[in-house]
Amino acid sequence: RKEVEQDPGPFNVPEGATVAFNCTYSNSASQSFFWYRQDCRKEPKLLMSVYSSGNEDGRFTAQLNRASQYISLLIRDSKLSDSATYLCVVPGGSYIPTFGRGTSLIVHP
Amino acid sequence: GAVVSQHPSRVICKSGTSVKIECRSLDFQATTMFWYRQFPKQSLMLMATSNEGSKATYEQGVEKDKFLINHASLTLSTLTVTSAHPEDSSFYICSSSEGNTIYFGEGSWLTVV
Repeated sequence: RKEVEQDPGPFNVPEGATVAFNCTYSNSASQSFFWYRQDCRKEPKLLMSVYSSGNEDGRFTAQLNRASQYISLLIRDSKLSDSATYLCVVPGGSYIPTFGRGTSLIVHP
Repeated sequence: GAVVSQHPSRVICKSGTSVKIECRSLDFQATTMFWYRQFPKQSLMLMATSNEGSKATYEQGVEKDKFLINHASLTLSTLTVTSAHPEDSSFYICSSSEGNTIYFGEGSWLTVV
C-alpha cells in the first residue's frame, strides 16, 4: 500500500453540490493529518488540520477514521472557486510530510 | 506569522547551465527544510531533506551531485540544479515546519530549454 493514496478524479460537480474525497494512509502511527488546496501552478495552501476525530470549518468538514486509516474531506454547497486540487498530507517518519497525488475538483455552473 | 519565501518564482535556463533556488524562513528558524518536485498532474515528490549545518538526506533516485542542497543557516536553504536538462523542467517547492504547521515557499517553475 502506498503511504498516502487519493483518487485523482477529476470530480466534476455542479455549483451547490456536496462532494467528498477520501485519502487512505499506511502509517498507523500518524497523529496529525492535513488537507491542502493547490491551485494550478501555485503552492499548496492549508485548508484544514485534523488531529482527532474531525474538524469543521464552514462548508468544509474533515473526518478521521483511524480504524480504517483514512481521512475524508466533505465540501458542502460547492462554489466555482472551490475548483482546485486537494492534497492529503500525512506526516511520516521524522515528521516528513508525505503527499497524496491530489484529487482534482471541478465545479461548473 | 511564519512564512517561507522562495525565489525565483520562474526561471528559464539553457541546457547545461546551473540554477539556484533559495528558500528563506521568515519569523522562524527552519532547522529542517524539505525540497519537493512536482511534474504536471503528479503529486509533490520529496527530493531531499536538508538540515541546518549538516548534509542533506536524499530520497532514492535523486542524484545528490546534480541537486546540490545547502542549508548553511537557520533561515536559508538553497537547491542548485546543476547541468540542467530539459527533463529537469518542473515545479520545485520547499517547505518547513513550525510546530504542527507546514509552511510552503511559493514554488519555482524551472524551464530548461
